[in-house]
Amino acid sequence: QKEVEQNSGPLSVPEGAIASLNCTYSDRGSQSFFWYRQYSGKSPELIMFIYSNGDKEDGRFTAQLNKASQYVSLLIRDSQPSDSATYLCAGQDSNYQLIWGAGTKLIIKP
Amino acid sequence: GAGVSQSPRYKVAKRGQDVALRCDPISGHVSLFWYQQALGQGPEFLTYFQNEAQLDKSGLPSDRFFAERPEGSVSTLKIQRTQQEDSAVYLCASSPPREPRLGYFGPGTRLLVL
Repeated sequence: QKEVEQNSGPLSVPEGAIASLNCTYSDRGSQSFFWYRQYSGKSPELIMFIYSNGDKEDGRFTAQLNKASQYVSLLIRDSQPSDSATYLCAGQDSNYQLIWGAGTKLIIKP
Repeated sequence: GAGVSQSPRYKVAKRGQDVALRCDPISGHVSLFWYQQALGQGPEFLTYFQNEAQLDKSGLPSDRFFAERPEGSVSTLKIQRTQQEDSAVYLCASSPPREPRLGYFGPGTRLLVL
């Protein structure tokens, strides 16, 4: 059974601080990982994707992948109230099927 | 440009009724995915098309669920004899030809079965 695990939260972070979201996966065959942001009542929106071990930075967002530990994370620097949402982690298997976590609810407190 | 669109946005059905949900992918996107998302959960894969070919339907929960994409563009997800447990948001995503991994989601259809 392929699984992606996330802490459901809520994770509360003060405005301006770094938010750290974590995800573990069970399928060693998964090569690509995605972070989606989902506002309440809206559809998921792709934030970042990462294929290689290490860090990938895009603006205030940094994705980190450690295939040996089967661990993916998303860091959000200078957190803003507008970052408050549920963040979904997904791993993609060789058939392009996405295996999704249940999401972590992030709350940025002004 | 226009994104993925889905219709209807909301659907209330009586138990036992058949429903049809439509997805219009982004023009030129070859890959199309259907997902089911229950409240407070991540999306669950239902089925995947590449052009008109349904390459994976392993996520369809029962034979009451049927999906098609006859001309390789618009897709329809049909649920026959709806049950209360079918209540969820049904999400459609499409991906560009060279980046099948990158799914762009539509707004979803929120289905409530009474």
